[in-house]
Amino acid sequence: GAGVSQSPSNKVTEKGKDVELRCDPISGHTALYWYRQSLGQGLEFLIYFQGNSAPDKSGLPSDRFSAERTGGSVSTLTIQRTQQEDSAVYLCAIGRTGSGNYGYTFGSGTRLTVV
Amino acid sequence: GENVEQHPSTLSVQEGDSAVIKCTYSDSASNYFPWYKQELGKGPQLIIDIRSNVGEKKDQRIAVTLNKTAKHFSLHITETQPEDSAVYFCAAPRRGGGSYIPTFGRGTSLIVHP
Repeated sequence: GAGVSQSPSNKVTEKGKDVELRCDPISGHTALYWYRQSLGQGLEFLIYFQGNSAPDKSGLPSDRFSAERTGGSVSTLTIQRTQQEDSAVYLCAIGRTGSGNYGYTFGSGTRLTVV
Repeated sequence: GENVEQHPSTLSVQEGDSAVIKCTYSDSASNYFPWYKQELGKGPQLIIDIRSNVGEKKDQRIAVTLNKTAKHFSLHITETQPEDSAVYFCAAPRRGGGSYIPTFGRGTSLIVHP
């Protein structure tokens, strides 16, 4: 969606390889979220960044998953030693925080296929 | 934490009929309730939202109602059209890290038959 660019749009990788997914939001949004959507499933929360605070990593499914956000803007989600069950669409979203405007905007996602 | 349940999982209607999707939430402190529409191959798009200080909000053919006492909110689509066919998600925020993390329902696949 407008305001959030994700790359690549599609990624096919071999089992056991590492992958890096990128989220590039427009400036001015302090909150950034990563979600995972498996085929026919809902949106599974992975990790949340809010300004300079420590990220909320409570949704990461295993220690193979990690994410960082540099300079309060671009974020990368890294999956190490990919497994077939990691195949999903990975969505990045941004949101405003503060006095109550929580309008979240999602990117179009990265479709990851592990073969 | 927040628990959001969404029903039905699939909804099939004829063009021109109304469609209603319901969600319940568990955290009485939740105060913002968005609805998203996801078309095939795209990310979810915000279509309407409601805050806890109002009971209903309308935007053309779409409306959302909120019952804070019962902790449920619903999406109403009137005069449905084939282009309304999509997966719809509700969400409610759960507090985390000083701000709010949306917890999503499992989605409703709406099919509008022409």
